[in-house]
Amino acid sequence: EAEVAQSPRYKITEKSQAVAFWCDPISGHATLYWYRQILGQGPELLVQFQDESVVDDSQLPKDRFSAERLKGVDSTLKIQPAELGDSAMYLCASSPKVWGTGMNTEAFFGQGTRLTVV
Amino acid sequence: SQELEQSPQSLIVQEGKNLTINCTSSKTLYGLYWYKQKYGEGLIFLMMLQKGGEEKSHEKITAKLDEKKQQSSLHITASQPSHAGIYLCGADWGGSNYKLTFGKGTLLTVNP
Repeated sequence: EAEVAQSPRYKITEKSQAVAFWCDPISGHATLYWYRQILGQGPELLVQFQDESVVDDSQLPKDRFSAERLKGVDSTLKIQPAELGDSAMYLCASSPKVWGTGMNTEAFFGQGTRLTVV
Repeated sequence: SQELEQSPQSLIVQEGKNLTINCTSSKTLYGLYWYKQKYGEGLIFLMMLQKGGEEKSHEKITAKLDEKKQQSSLHITASQPSHAGIYLCGADWGGSNYKLTFGKGTLLTVNP
C-alpha cells in the first residue's frame, strides 16, 4: 500500500542550529501539506503546495521556516535557526486531487518527524 | 482552533462500553473528516462526511453530521483496547484553497 514517507522519524537539535525534514508523498498526489503538532494539540497547517507552487503559507513563520517542492514531487521543510518552541511533531500529508474542483477526498499522512530542540 | 471544538478532551472507558465524541464548528462545514492518531505517529483516516444528516459506519465506529452541518459525532460501539488513541476531527470550511483545520483531539483510553 502506498504511503507518505517522512525522514527522519526523530531529530534532536540544539537551539540556533539548522534542521531539515523531508517528505515524499504518495506517487501522483498533486497536493502536499506540512503540519505542525504541538503535544496535546491538533495539527496546525504550516504550508500547502499544489504541484510545485505554494498556495497557502499564511501560518508559516517565514523569518525562520522555509519549504520547497522544486519538482512538484518530494518536499523539504527547513528551520533556521531552531528555537526551543519549535519542539513538536512535523507531519506531512498528501492528497490526490486538486482542491476547489468539488471533488473532495481525504489527506494521507506520514508518520511524522518528532523534533526536540535543546 | 476555537472555531472547531472537540469534547470531551479525554475519555476513559471500560472495554465493551459505548462512547461518543463530539466535534462542533462555529461555521457551516463543507466537509468534516475524522482521523485517529496513535501517540507519536501519523494520522489514520477514518471517515469523511459532507451532506447534512449524513451517517457513515466502519466496523464498530459510526460518524454523523447534523442537518445544519455544524456538528459531528463519532460513536464507538462495544469499545476494545484497539480503539485507544487520539481522535481528531478536521473541518473543511470551503474556499478555493482547501485546507483542513483540526480540533485539539480527544484522548481515548480503553481499559481491559
